[in-house]
Amino acid sequence: SQELEQSPQSLIVQEGKNLTINCTSSKTLYGLYWYKQKYGEGLIFLMMLQKGGEEKSHEKITAKLDEKKQQSSLHITASQPSHAGIYLCGAAPLGAGSYQLTFGKGTKLSVIP
Amino acid sequence: GAVVSQHPSRVICKSGTSVKIECRSLDFQATTMFWYRQFPKQSLMLMATSNEGSKATYEQGVEKDKFLINHASLTLSTLTVTSAHPEDSSFYICSAKQGAAKNIQYFGAGTRLSVL
Repeated sequence: SQELEQSPQSLIVQEGKNLTINCTSSKTLYGLYWYKQKYGEGLIFLMMLQKGGEEKSHEKITAKLDEKKQQSSLHITASQPSHAGIYLCGAAPLGAGSYQLTFGKGTKLSVIP
Repeated sequence: GAVVSQHPSRVICKSGTSVKIECRSLDFQATTMFWYRQFPKQSLMLMATSNEGSKATYEQGVEKDKFLINHASLTLSTLTVTSAHPEDSSFYICSAKQGAAKNIQYFGAGTRLSVL
């Protein structure tokens, strides 16, 4: 089965600082998804990456998928308190027909004003 | 767009009772919906995949008679926790997949179940 490892497990940054969260897969990915979750709430879809080397940005958040499609990074520029939450990466394994996603354990981000 | 509504957000029940959780896609049709369970400080664990008009596919270790799933329409899937026990207390989240070409799951806000 596919496993996703996220690092770091938690992160505390000062407002305005940049940060990076990593997600590494044990297998080649068909698709890599980034979600954000606030404690006790559902997941908010951020971005989906499918092609090796692909990079997408939304506001101050940029996500990249490496060429081998086994590692992704999420970069936040000039962090704000609104960025605080748990960031989860999810992946569909190569050739998956049922579109099921496996998730990492998440990275808890705290932003200090 | 792509809004998924989950109800109720929180439920407290007595041991032995059944609880139904609804998951609705509000502005799109979802042929496939998913049900997850999340333990504190853990990731989401897929319980079952629900396809409209057919039986749900359960993950290994998930009791289908315990967690009844019904996906009667393209916008509604329900999860019923039957004869709930304290160990069933958890955070349950549903998601709906939009479209056949796009493999993006949109999530509900989750249901916090507490069984006394």
